[in-house]
Amino acid sequence: SQKIEQNSEALNIQEGKTATLTCNYTNYSPAYLQWYRQDPGRGPVFLLLIRENEKEKRKERLKVTFDTTLKQSLFHITASQPADSATYLCALDGGNQGGKLIFGQGTELSVKP
Amino acid sequence: GAVVSQHPSRVICKSGTSVKIECRSLDFQATTMFWYRQFPKQSLMLMATSNEGSKATYEQGVEKDKFLINHASLTLSTLTVTSAHPEDSSFYICSASGRAGTEAFFGQGTRLTVV
Repeated sequence: SQKIEQNSEALNIQEGKTATLTCNYTNYSPAYLQWYRQDPGRGPVFLLLIRENEKEKRKERLKVTFDTTLKQSLFHITASQPADSATYLCALDGGNQGGKLIFGQGTELSVKP
Repeated sequence: GAVVSQHPSRVICKSGTSVKIECRSLDFQATTMFWYRQFPKQSLMLMATSNEGSKATYEQGVEKDKFLINHASLTLSTLTVTSAHPEDSSFYICSASGRAGTEAFFGQGTRLTVV
């Protein structure tokens, strides 16, 4: 069955540093991979989407890489700020049906001032 | 971006009663919506796909008679938890999306507590 794994432990970093989150998957060939942010008691909010034929995608301080050979995506937040503290979810999109996503368990990021 | 509104945000009900959760797409028409459940510190698990004008498609292990889904219009899907039990206590979230390969828009979520 499909399996997605993210950093299971919380990630604690100092303000201004780069946070790197990992998403690995098995038994799946997603057409797209998406990253979301989730704050406590709230629904996820979309951050970035990367296609299977793309290696890297950037948006402001965010960068996503996608390696379909390694079956891995890395999510980077540069110049991190305390406001970036949240849980970050990766999601696989098979490309067959809009919005039908398979989520990882999320990585909790804490940025200390 | 598009807005998906979910109501109520919190609900407490007695064991054995039913609870209805509404999910509305406010500024676009959604022929398909999705319902997820999330337990503390765990991932969002897809429960079912809600299809406008037809029956919902349930994921393996989800009881369709317990979690009733109705998608009567292009802007509203409802999830009814019937005969709720304490183990149904969870965070329920709906989403809507455009075509495949585009972002999904999520509701605010509903915290259900069954006592």
